[in-house]
Amino acid sequence: DSGVTQTPKHLITATGQRVTLRCSPRSGDLSVYWYQQSLDQGLQFLIQYYNGEERAKGNILERFSAQQFPDLHSELNLSSLELGDSALYFCASSEGGRDTEAFFGQGTRLTVV
Amino acid sequence: GENVEQHPSTLSVQEGDSAVIKCTYSDSASNYFPWYKQELGKGPQLIIDIRSNVGEKKDQRIAVTLNKTAKHFSLHITETQPEDSAVYFCAAAGGSYIPTFGRGTSLIVHP
Repeated sequence: DSGVTQTPKHLITATGQRVTLRCSPRSGDLSVYWYQQSLDQGLQFLIQYYNGEERAKGNILERFSAQQFPDLHSELNLSSLELGDSALYFCASSEGGRDTEAFFGQGTRLTVV
Repeated sequence: GENVEQHPSTLSVQEGDSAVIKCTYSDSASNYFPWYKQELGKGPQLIIDIRSNVGEKKDQRIAVTLNKTAKHFSLHITETQPEDSAVYFCAAAGGSYIPTFGRGTSLIVHP
């Protein structure tokens, strides 16, 4: 168990809908990363937060947004969902330094039908 | 930004053989290189890491080597077992706050 908790584990929704994925980081970790993993694809970096502030942004679509709350949990919001958004979404957390270990949650499997 | 290349994409070995996965990186400022193992339906799990001040690190049957001059690092698994079958990812970090991952290697260990 990495200590990073993601909910829900599975999510099935229709095209055009909006969903929210939740992540609770390891105790003491200030940084949260979101990654997308599609079939046969690697880990695509979406966005990073550190202590409530956005720190880095990757190839995140405008339909997607995220935030980190004062208690350090994070939410990833996906809207106007398309079939191609079906993927595994992972959250990882770390202490926040440039060279600190990142620990991953078990992921949320999103299926858009 | 950082770019990490990982090879091979698939590696098939017999139980008891050794397996080697290689990665190269582009950002000379990177100084932290973790390796993750991802089993089917699970999140990536950190299995070993190495920092730029050492050239090699071992943990039982796995070892990592780092050549900073050539900007490449490798994962070595000896005496492979069927439970080693998984997707392995290398990553590089330190040049920026974002760990950059390779595309993964699917390791298949045949009993």
